[in-house]
Amino acid sequence: KQEVTQIPAALSVPEGENLVLNCSFTDSAIYNLQWFRQDPGKGLTSLLLIQSSQREQTSGRLNASLDKSSGRSTLYIAASQPGDSATYLCAVTGSNYQLIWGAGTKLIIKP
Amino acid sequence: ETGVTQTPRHLVMGMTNKKSLKCEQHLGHNAMYWYKQSAKKPLELMFVYSLEERVENNSVPSRFSPECPNSSHLFLHLHTLQPEDSALYLCASSQVGQGAQTQYFGPGTRLLVL
Repeated sequence: KQEVTQIPAALSVPEGENLVLNCSFTDSAIYNLQWFRQDPGKGLTSLLLIQSSQREQTSGRLNASLDKSSGRSTLYIAASQPGDSATYLCAVTGSNYQLIWGAGTKLIIKP
Repeated sequence: ETGVTQTPRHLVMGMTNKKSLKCEQHLGHNAMYWYKQSAKKPLELMFVYSLEERVENNSVPSRFSPECPNSSHLFLHLHTLQPEDSALYLCASSQVGQGAQTQYFGPGTRLLVL
């Protein structure tokens, strides 16, 4: 059974720092891995989707990597800003096309 | 309206009440999903409808009853809920049949069961 783990559960850093969020999964048989952002009391917004054949994806200050063999993904945020404060969720798509989710990392960027 | 909308945004109900959550997607997708999000726990997939047919029911208690009248609308009917059912209920949609596509989420309904 696929399990997705995100470490740390919470992270607080000063504005301007580069930071890395981690996601690990137990079954490497995935179609893709996605990173989502959730603001308090709101739904989820897809940030990056990495297909199983890809190693990384970039969008602006965000870079996500995927290492299927080790069951790991990282989300790199460059030059963090207070507006980046949110909960970041990692999810993998399994053989039934359904998402298996991590519990999220709550990120606080201090001005 | 664009994207995925959900109503109501907040709901307080007693254990003997009956209520319904509504979701509507304006993206032309052919699959819709109900998720439950409890504090500090991963999202739990409750129901999946693909081409208006239910394809997944992850051992959800019968006090939750989904309905998908067409590809744009999804309902979750609630009755005799328990306090532990208090959570954020999220609806999502996607386009299936072209590999694994991302899901688009509504803002959720915050449910409190007293």
